[in-house]
Amino acid sequence: EVQLVESGRGLVRPGGSLRLSCVASGFTFSKYAMVWVRQAPGKGLEWLSTMSGSGGSTYYAGSVRGRFTISRDDSRNTVYLQMNSLRVDDTATYFCAKDGGRGVDYWGRGILVTVSS
Amino acid sequence: DIQMTQSPSTLSASVGDRVTITCRASEDISRYLAWYQQKPGKAPKILIHKASTLESGVPSRFSGSDSGTEFTLTISSLQPDDFATYYCQQYNSYFWTFGQGTKVEMK
Repeated sequence: EVQLVESGRGLVRPGGSLRLSCVASGFTFSKYAMVWVRQAPGKGLEWLSTMSGSGGSTYYAGSVRGRFTISRDDSRNTVYLQMNSLRVDDTATYFCAKDGGRGVDYWGRGILVTVSS
Repeated sequence: DIQMTQSPSTLSASVGDRVTITCRASEDISRYLAWYQQKPGKAPKILIHKASTLESGVPSRFSGSDSGTEFTLTISSLQPDDFATYYCQQYNSYFWTFGQGTKVEMK
């Protein structure tokens, strides 16, 4: 059974940093691209970043490029999202997801990140 | 970036109704379009990929179709479990984009 479990601190001050982790199980992690998607309260889904299965390629949405960094550790079956210079409008539920080559085939439960003073 | 324009934003319907949601891409996405269903407090669930291929386990009342850059999700006979928000998403580009979402609510 595929499982994706996100973790990280939930509350951060504006201008601060936070690293989210997502531990994967139930599939050959190194073979798949991994994705981060977020959803602000009451709003729609926003793709943030993708890292290829090889780890050689990364892609970012314009809204987070230069502030967020995706990385992965295949030995730990873990993908990370380093978030710097956080703003109030970064408040959202952050989902880790597996790129099944046909969109997202598996999602984590999501983790709420609140940026507030 | 490829823009995905989804409509309507809200749809009021009754059990048994035929429901249609539309998504238009700003450029050719070669049918690389997925549809998701999301219920409150839950992660989305993929329903359809490649515009019209039903995911395993998804009821056959869901179907997808396309014509050029216009894509349609149809629920042939709305069931109580189908009241939810639906999103389209293009994956033709490495820079994915989602539609704004359509909330299907009870009339």
